[in-house]
Amino acid sequence: GQQLNQSPQSMFIQEGEDVSMNCTSSSIFNTWLWYKQDPGEGPVLLIALYKAGELTSNGRLTAQFGITRKDSFLNISASIPSDVGIYFCAGQLGGTYKYIFGTGTRLKVLA
Amino acid sequence: DVKVTQSSRYLVKRTGEKVFLECVQDMDHENMFWYRQDPGLGLRLIYFSYDVKMKEKGDIPEGYSVSREKKERFSLILESASTNQTSMYLCASSPPGQVFYEQYFGPGTRLTVT
Repeated sequence: GQQLNQSPQSMFIQEGEDVSMNCTSSSIFNTWLWYKQDPGEGPVLLIALYKAGELTSNGRLTAQFGITRKDSFLNISASIPSDVGIYFCAGQLGGTYKYIFGTGTRLKVLA
Repeated sequence: DVKVTQSSRYLVKRTGEKVFLECVQDMDHENMFWYRQDPGLGLRLIYFSYDVKMKEKGDIPEGYSVSREKKERFSLILESASTNQTSMYLCASSPPGQVFYEQYFGPGTRLTVT
């Protein structure tokens, strides 16, 4: 079946550093979503991307929809301790209700 | 703000019990989804519904059924719970349309089957 490769799986960074993570697939997607999930909680939508090449920001977060429509990345600038959590991507398969989800990037921020 | 709520945050059930997980959304969304989330496997779609009384199987429907009698409510039923159904269950909803849409998740129900 379709798969999303998300990397890195985990990362430790110092407070104030910038963070980058990405998702790649062999499938073409119509929409990319980025979520953050805290332990024991449901995912919270951070950014939605709808067009190839689109670059969208939400505060310190910036995400891009890859030109090939097969990849997306998320950047977090000037990380703070509350950025800790699991970030994952989701790509919507064209013409369907279906989303494919990445397995997540676990972020730990060292103060 | 979109609000998706789930009836329980934590549940412990015995093998063979019938289990009901309830999900309610307050945004008049047509589409509702049930996923399970397991370490290393990501989110996997169990069932989704695009209208009242309408449902479609997702990737892993075996052992589950669903019910959607009202637009705002989507229930997941484990007919006879088994230990391999121990997982985090997440409900999501989205506005109508198949072209571009966003999914909003509830807080999750962590189910343990002993």
